[in-house]
Amino acid sequence: EPEVTQTPSHQVTQMGQEVILRCVPISNHLYFYWYRQILGQKVEFLVSFYNNEISEKSEIFDDQFSVERPDGSNFTLKIRSTKLEDSAMYFCASSETGAGANEQFFGPGTRLTVL
Amino acid sequence: AQSVAQPEDQVNVAEGNPLTVKCTYSVSGNPYLFWYVQYPNRGLQFLLKYITGDNLVKGSYGFEAEFNKSQTSFHLKKPSALVSDSALYFCAVRDIGGGSYIPTFGRGTSLIVHP
Repeated sequence: EPEVTQTPSHQVTQMGQEVILRCVPISNHLYFYWYRQILGQKVEFLVSFYNNEISEKSEIFDDQFSVERPDGSNFTLKIRSTKLEDSAMYFCASSETGAGANEQFFGPGTRLTVL
Repeated sequence: AQSVAQPEDQVNVAEGNPLTVKCTYSVSGNPYLFWYVQYPNRGLQFLLKYITGDNLVKGSYGFEAEFNKSQTSFHLKKPSALVSDSALYFCAVRDIGGGSYIPTFGRGTSLIVHP
């Protein structure tokens, strides 16, 4: 069964450093998403991406964040200058279409720790 | 605006007993409702969804959920719990008339099934 994969599984960084989180969505999916979950809190939507551009983003997704699909398989989330409050589990997801009735397929997550 | 609440942080049940994980939602129009499960060190996995039609929805691993519009609830149920059902369960909602294709997730409920 096809899966969404994410690397690395755990990233530790110093405050102010740039990090890039990587995801490989399911190959025939067209819509890609990033979510985050701060420990013990809700899963929060960050951004959705379709046809090489952002389709929706939340208020969390400020200028410090960017997404890119650098090639035909990878989907990346970059945080330019990390803050302590960026420490969270980051999930990538994909779906066949963007219709709201379709379920999303999630990766295992990257745990980001900012020191 | 759309929101979802999972009122229990943790549910404990003995193996073989029926289980219920509660979810209530708030939307301005009609909802699409989803349940996802997360096993340790894995991403969220889709269990079932309500789009339209029969209020009782059947999903993976013997789970089912009942859409109750008057009570704005979508509780997850299983007639006989297994130890292997122990995991974190997330309810999600999307307001069909809300203008966004992105679901809102609950905080999650930890289900512990005791042998």
